[in-house]
Amino acid sequence: DAGVIQSPRHEVTEMGQEVTLRCKPISGHDYLFWYRQTMMRGLELLIYFNNNVPIDDSGMPEDRFSAKMPNASFSTLKIQPSEPRDSAVYFCASSQRVLGSPLHFGNGTRLTVT
Amino acid sequence: KNEVEQSPQNLTAQEGEFITINCSYSVGISALHWLQQHPGGGIVSLFMLSSGKKKHGRLIATINIQEKHSSLHITASHPRDSAVYICAVMVGGSRLTFGEGTQLTVNP
Repeated sequence: DAGVIQSPRHEVTEMGQEVTLRCKPISGHDYLFWYRQTMMRGLELLIYFNNNVPIDDSGMPEDRFSAKMPNASFSTLKIQPSEPRDSAVYFCASSQRVLGSPLHFGNGTRLTVT
Repeated sequence: KNEVEQSPQNLTAQEGEFITINCSYSVGISALHWLQQHPGGGIVSLFMLSSGKKKHGRLIATINIQEKHSSLHITASHPRDSAVYICAVMVGGSRLTFGEGTQLTVNP
């Protein structure tokens, strides 16, 4: 298996633009997580899905952020409009089960909003 | 106070030394993860624990649920072990709360 695949690896955009981050989880994994990592706040959970259904989106910072999982093999995280404070590394991770199953992380997308 | 506290924040060791990284948490948890973040940024799950002890190669992780404490040990450390080690606790359902990480540098 190729692991969790995220795209793009790097994204540089101007304030106000729409940004879409993509994630393909490992086949057969029922859980998909979006995390954000910044120097100030470390790693934070944004949202997670179970069987394509959003379960907990309490970590989504504000309405500018939205996430979808239209099928078991694809998820997107969208920021519209983007702001400089959204600059961070965004990780997608997947796992088979909640307990007893390790998390598999993608390589992350480094977002820079100027 | 953070729900998850790691110590030390930074650790420098000589190759071959035994290393211990500690994690304390203040809430009831269902599981605890140890993660390794490479200098290039990728994150790898090392262990998931809900009790006792796990071992994988030179890495050992222990957890004491009563004391709300976990340790990650590295035996015979090597420069390739240089990375950030992150403790994360699972609180209610699937939500992970992360520690700030421990930056480990192993010198040859």
